[in-house]
Amino acid sequence: SQTIHQWPATLVQPVGSPLSLECTVEGTSNPNLYWYRQAAGRGLQLLFYSVGIGQISSEVPQNLSASRPQDRQFILSSKKLLLSDSGFYLCAWSASRGTEAFFGQGTRLTVV
Amino acid sequence: QKEVEQNSGPLSVPEGAIASLNCTYSDRVSQSFFWYRQYSGKSPELIMSIYSNGDKEDGRFTAQLNKASQYVSLLIRDSQPSDSATYLCAVYNAGNMLTFGGGTRLMVKP
Repeated sequence: SQTIHQWPATLVQPVGSPLSLECTVEGTSNPNLYWYRQAAGRGLQLLFYSVGIGQISSEVPQNLSASRPQDRQFILSSKKLLLSDSGFYLCAWSASRGTEAFFGQGTRLTVV
Repeated sequence: QKEVEQNSGPLSVPEGAIASLNCTYSDRVSQSFFWYRQYSGKSPELIMSIYSNGDKEDGRFTAQLNKASQYVSLLIRDSQPSDSATYLCAVYNAGNMLTFGGGTRLMVKP
């Protein structure tokens, strides 16, 4: 069966510090991978989407970047965090376009 | 206009009643529709998927899709306090991006 791992679960970082969040998927090949951010009490905002190694589509952010160095690994990064980067970061995978997406447990990031 | 719209609620129903959650979407070419449940502080979990017009039932849950009206709904029969959560509607748009509504908070009162 497929599983998705996301870590860390919580993170407190100072403003201006770098960020690296990692997500890995097991039990499937060539998944579609997603990074979402959820502000408190709000819906999910799509940040990045990837259909394959090195293929990243960016929806919104200018302060964040994503990379997919391996088929089942998706990394979210920032060189310098802003207060507004605080939120609940969720990684998800789907088997192909148009199919169900499944989420990791999320990382709650607080920038102080 | 937001791509996927939901009433934020809260929707309050008594235990045992039917809860009706609604969602509208803007992209007419969308073909895949999903309902997720999210408990406070947790990640979303998939409850239902629906691809064709009409109703799809799974246990106490029924998803309804009307592509002509660009409307998808979720009915929860015999609502339980454990159903209290935020329900998220999700739709794939033409660019193959899975887009979420803001969610409807459901409260089931014993």
